[in-house]
Amino acid sequence: GAVVSQHPSRVICKSGTSVKIECRSLDFQATTMFWYRQFPKQSLMLMATSNEGSKATYEQGVEKDKFLINHASLTLSTLTVTSAHPEDSSFYICSAGTANSNQPQHFGDGTRLSIL
Amino acid sequence: DAKTTQPNSMESNEEEPVHLPCNHSTISGTDYIHWYRQLPSQGPEYVIHGLTSNVNNRMASLAIAEDRKSSTLILHRATLRDAAVYYCILRDVVVGRDDKIIFGKGTRLHILP
Repeated sequence: GAVVSQHPSRVICKSGTSVKIECRSLDFQATTMFWYRQFPKQSLMLMATSNEGSKATYEQGVEKDKFLINHASLTLSTLTVTSAHPEDSSFYICSAGTANSNQPQHFGDGTRLSIL
Repeated sequence: DAKTTQPNSMESNEEEPVHLPCNHSTISGTDYIHWYRQLPSQGPEYVIHGLTSNVNNRMASLAIAEDRKSSTLILHRATLRDAAVYYCILRDVVVGRDDKIIFGKGTRLHILP
């Protein structure tokens, strides 16, 4: 069964709306979660590292004020796309795992965001 | 970050074995070799990983070259449901280093009925 749950799976909203996406680790505690964005026919692009109890670490070129990340507990990270515009339409995916690279990362099923 | 090189796409017939290659000539001694795959409209899923020895699980086998500069993911009997993009990724075994996964372009596997 799924070990990382992502919600919602699909969002359609108007331009200017803020959209929150949740990522939950279901049966383990994740001090670190990761957020990715994927455009059609392209690979996943890492946006940021979500750190429990501290500020997220953003990759170069990702606007931290545009993509707000909150990781308030060991099982939940949220990504809020603020004042979304059509160019923010994409497939957003989260992942979680332990810091042990001998263990796999677990990915959510993704959230397809469509901004009209 | 150590990089991997994979063919952009491959084709295979259904019910035949598939060998997906990955080159990682700059691999370090502490890098694990991980494989993930992404089915259409889904998040990536873990397939297999290894360090030095060949590995088998219910999904696939991983053959690692003796010098560790390349590896091959083996699907023993491909089905239509194996059509996906397969990513070969290196992850440093040192805890805390390189926890994040950076995806390359992967190999898009087409399965022909």
